[in-house]
Amino acid sequence: DIQMTQSPSSVSTSVGDRVTITCRASQGISSWLAWYQQKPGKAPKLLISAASSLQSGVPSRFSGSGSGTDFTLTISSLQPEDFATYYCQQANSFPPTFGGGTKVEIK
Amino acid sequence: EVQLVQSGAEVKKPGESLKISCKGSGYSFSSYWVAWVRQMPGKGLEWMGIIYPGDSDTRYSPSFQGQVTISADKSISTAYLQWSSLKTSDTAMYYCARHMSSSTSSFVDYWGQGTLVTVSS
Repeated sequence: DIQMTQSPSSVSTSVGDRVTITCRASQGISSWLAWYQQKPGKAPKLLISAASSLQSGVPSRFSGSGSGTDFTLTISSLQPEDFATYYCQQANSFPPTFGGGTKVEIK
Repeated sequence: EVQLVQSGAEVKKPGESLKISCKGSGYSFSSYWVAWVRQMPGKGLEWMGIIYPGDSDTRYSPSFQGQVTISADKSISTAYLQWSSLKTSDTAMYYCARHMSSSTSSFVDYWGQGTLVTVSS
């Protein structure tokens, strides 16, 4: 299985801050990467597919970049509703695998 | 509107069997892979396996092969996840989710609300 490593595992930040989360794959996955947001007690929500394709309805403050083994999710100006846990997921090969998650907390 | 509606929370004892369900609506259920994803308490997401309801082609993640059975009934647009003998370590939230593409490796764009399974003596 391809291992996905996210960093940091948690970050304390403030409304209006810029937040960057990284995800590294154990082998090249081209652009077969997605980012999900999960709030407590809720199902994950797809934010970005194919490394940088923003899903319909997702605010433009979210962006994704990268290819190969290194990827980033950036939130340009954190809003109160963005405090959540974020997961990356590779879809290059079966089984798809998730990163361990990054919890974005209020400072 | 695409929806995946899962069956309700379950409380079981070790050794018991269980089958939970996921009913799709608002799209051609037979034409999209459905995945099952586990989330243990306070932990991350784990891909368990997938099924293509059109022909019941099923693939399992190696970690879950032999531990669970995934099935589907396309006539009622429902996928299932079942255990023959539950363990306390099966306590988790289980999500079903729809693949975005026809590939066995894909992103998922719609998720069920989750089914909480608690296994305790």
